[in-house]
Amino acid sequence: GQSLEQPSEVTAVEGAIVQINCTYQTSGFYGLSWYQQHDGGAPTFLSYNGLDGLEETGRFSSFLSRSDSYGYLLLQELQMKDSASYFCAVRDRDYGNNRLAFGKGNQVVVIP
Amino acid sequence: DAGVIQSPRHEVTEMGQEVTLRCKPISGHDYLFWYRQTMMRGLELLIYFNNNVPIDDSGMPEDRFSAKMPNASFSTLKIQPSEPRDSAVYFCASSSFGSGNTIYFGEGSWLTVV
Repeated sequence: GQSLEQPSEVTAVEGAIVQINCTYQTSGFYGLSWYQQHDGGAPTFLSYNGLDGLEETGRFSSFLSRSDSYGYLLLQELQMKDSASYFCAVRDRDYGNNRLAFGKGNQVVVIP
Repeated sequence: DAGVIQSPRHEVTEMGQEVTLRCKPISGHDYLFWYRQTMMRGLELLIYFNNNVPIDDSGMPEDRFSAKMPNASFSTLKIQPSEPRDSAVYFCASSSFGSGNTIYFGEGSWLTVV
């Protein structure tokens, strides 16, 4: 099975940098993904890490350390539109190729 | 592409009534997922299908919940009878095997059972 831990809420000013951490426990790890969800909206895919290291996509970067069962999402040059919830999701091989289990999410509030 | 389409977007129903949520996945996707989201429990996977076949329904809360996928372009999630604790946002999502780590969510069905 799997479990994911994420802290709950972060407030930051525009232009700042925020790091959202995720630790996981799973019996058949097969990759860590990040999703963004605005209030009232649907989760949308941000990034994926299958191997250790950093993946960069514009202002967002995601990091994975499989030995530590740990990953993070780094939001840089924060903008008001980045106010949202951010979820990590583990792909677990034990449950089939496409089963994704989500953490509880971390709400980011960006203030002027 | 129109994306994953869900209906209804909002539903308010009385306890004991049957609720049917509908989903049209993205054309060509062979995986379909039903998730439920609440403040307390977050995003929970209820069931997922591959090529219209249910693969894992271990997340379905109890016998009151059932899901079907009669063809590649349509799925339903049914709750009978509904209870107030079923109030949540129900998301349908789809993906293709090649995009294994990217699943595409619909806008959700907001269910309130009173």
